[in-house]
Amino acid sequence: GEDVEQSLFLSVREGDSSVINCTYTDSSSTYLYWYKQEPGAGLQLLTYIFSNMDMKQDQRLTVLLNKKDKHLSLRIADTQTGDSAIYFCAETRGSGGYNKLIFGAGTRLAVHP
Amino acid sequence: NAGVTQTPKFQVLKTGQSMTLQCAQDMNHEYMSWYRQDPGMGLRLIHYSVGAGITDQGEVPNGYNVSRSTTEDFPLRLLSAAPSQTSVYFCASTSRGGSKGYTFGSGTRLTVV
Repeated sequence: GEDVEQSLFLSVREGDSSVINCTYTDSSSTYLYWYKQEPGAGLQLLTYIFSNMDMKQDQRLTVLLNKKDKHLSLRIADTQTGDSAIYFCAETRGSGGYNKLIFGAGTRLAVHP
Repeated sequence: NAGVTQTPKFQVLKTGQSMTLQCAQDMNHEYMSWYRQDPGMGLRLIHYSVGAGITDQGEVPNGYNVSRSTTEDFPLRLLSAAPSQTSVYFCASTSRGGSKGYTFGSGTRLTVV
């Protein structure tokens, strides 16, 4: 089947910017999401972007959407050790009025001093 | 506290045993879902429900049953546990349309020996 794809690991230095990339599959996805998962915890919604937008900024987070290439990215400015986690992108796929969330495998972000 | 509550947090089963994972939400969300999370595979949808009395299969439904007798509760049943069902299970809910993303429970870590 078609997958939502993410690179599995990213290592950055504290204070630098992190960019996590995602390629999704469904061009009709209405919303695209970024979730954060800390060790032993559930998923926390970080941000989302509506498909008619190119960019969304929320404090240190910037989401870029390239619909032509079906590419989504999450930029974290001034990355801190507390940002170390797994980041999942997710697209919505509609079926009979219900939008299923389809996840990528997750990108593990490691922040080092 | 408003949110999605899952119980138990941890469970060990022997092959062939049955059990029910509980999920409850107090946000009056119509949509509820069960996901399993396995290393390197992201989250995969097991079953979902768009309202009381309505359930449907996700990507990996085999070996699992669900029911939705009330808006608040969405239990997941394993009828005859198998080692392949060792995973972390997450319940999630959202309002109709799901534009604001899903709210996830903290997860149930299940080991089948």
